[in-house]
Amino acid sequence: EAGVTQSPTHLIKTRGQQVTLRCSPISGHTSVYWYQQALGLGLQFLLWYDEGEERNRGNFPPRFSGRQFPNYSSELNVNALELEDSALYLCASSLWRRVPSYEQYFGPGTRLTVT
Amino acid sequence: GENVEQHPSTLSVQEGDSAVIKCTYSDSASNYFPWYKQELGKRPQLIIDIRSNVGEKKDQRIAVTLNKTAKHFSLHITETQPEDSAVYFCAASGSGGGADGLTFGKGTHLIIQP
Repeated sequence: EAGVTQSPTHLIKTRGQQVTLRCSPISGHTSVYWYQQALGLGLQFLLWYDEGEERNRGNFPPRFSGRQFPNYSSELNVNALELEDSALYLCASSLWRRVPSYEQYFGPGTRLTVT
Repeated sequence: GENVEQHPSTLSVQEGDSAVIKCTYSDSASNYFPWYKQELGKRPQLIIDIRSNVGEKKDQRIAVTLNKTAKHFSLHITETQPEDSAVYFCAASGSGGGADGLTFGKGTHLIIQP
């Protein structure tokens, strides 16, 4: 069974630009979560998508947004990039709706550097 | 919202000894508490989890205990081995329930001394 996949692996952007990160969940998983892992700040919850809808978001500004497609894959968009957006962006998926399991499995992440 | 505190930030133990990492949470509605292991340059890996209707769970050398009254939970690793060296994160589900986004502790860097 393939795990969660993310693309691209690395990305370098300039302040003010926009970026799109992509995530494919484990086959059959309907929920996708996005987290930011910045140095010294640990893992912070960004967004949760389930069955195509945004279910919850963490304490991040509106320039962080995303969507989930009918095949349950997801995109994270970040507009007007700032230097402090430099971080590892992790996607996780879970199967909670079909089976009463809350386990979240992570992808390898996208390393974003903003210069 | 939920707040998770994790201690210690660094833990060094001799190979074969036990390691204990402790976390506290603030939201009494949290009902799901997973632990993740992250090796350098790799993704977080779920190693064990516990739900609020259970007080203890074991999986070979790893165990987790939960005290709902005190709002704290702990990870216990026995007979530590070199491959246990990593950063460990605790997390709590918050008032959104077990399916919601997780709130993580800041992590514990576990060092196993040979």
